[in-house]
Amino acid sequence: TQLLEQSPQFLSIQEGENLTVYCNSSSVFSSLQWYRQEPGEGPVLLVTVVTGGEVKKLKRLTFQFGDARKDSSLHITAAQPGDTGLYLCAGARGNKLVFGAGTILRVKS
Amino acid sequence: GAVVSQHPSWVICKSGTSVKIECRSLDFQATTMFWYRQFPKQSLMLMATSNEGSKATYEQGVEKDKFLINHASLTLSTLTVTSAHPEDSSFYICSAREGGLAGEQFFGPGTRLTVL
Repeated sequence: TQLLEQSPQFLSIQEGENLTVYCNSSSVFSSLQWYRQEPGEGPVLLVTVVTGGEVKKLKRLTFQFGDARKDSSLHITAAQPGDTGLYLCAGARGNKLVFGAGTILRVKS
Repeated sequence: GAVVSQHPSWVICKSGTSVKIECRSLDFQATTMFWYRQFPKQSLMLMATSNEGSKATYEQGVEKDKFLINHASLTLSTLTVTSAHPEDSSFYICSAREGGLAGEQFFGPGTRLTVL
């Protein structure tokens, strides 16, 4: 059983469209992180959310942490081909990061 | 942000040989380093956690005699895949954390291992 359920697993959209990726759990996390990974490279941290209800913006990306700190979402506005990649959410539990299954995003021009 | 390097970036070896992968924190001291394994188009799977100067803690199902981890200094951890077999072929990624539990993990660029 995946501790962090991430959806959708795969998303193929046209340039300019909006999208949302969800990360849900029945467990509480002290913090939650979102990463973007390109093929053959390591994950790159996009944001860390810590406080329940927190909303953070990074240009066209908006991250939200649920009030109960069990879920999070990543919303991308006006997606661009450069946004293509694997998006991973990860929750901090004790000494470790628990990763979601990942969302493969493909933005077509 | 902090930089973590891995060497080699890719390696091809024959079945039965051992391969060592290095993970270095370049501009900070990493009290804890983590080793992950990733299959194509899948998420990261934690293999083990290592603290400098102590034995690594392995996740369930990961053979400690197969995947030897050494964290000899605050800037270097190594993963040795012993007697590698084709099923060990994968993308191995390390991360390093400065400080305690609240510290951020910084990921290396990964090492692609192919066992023939």
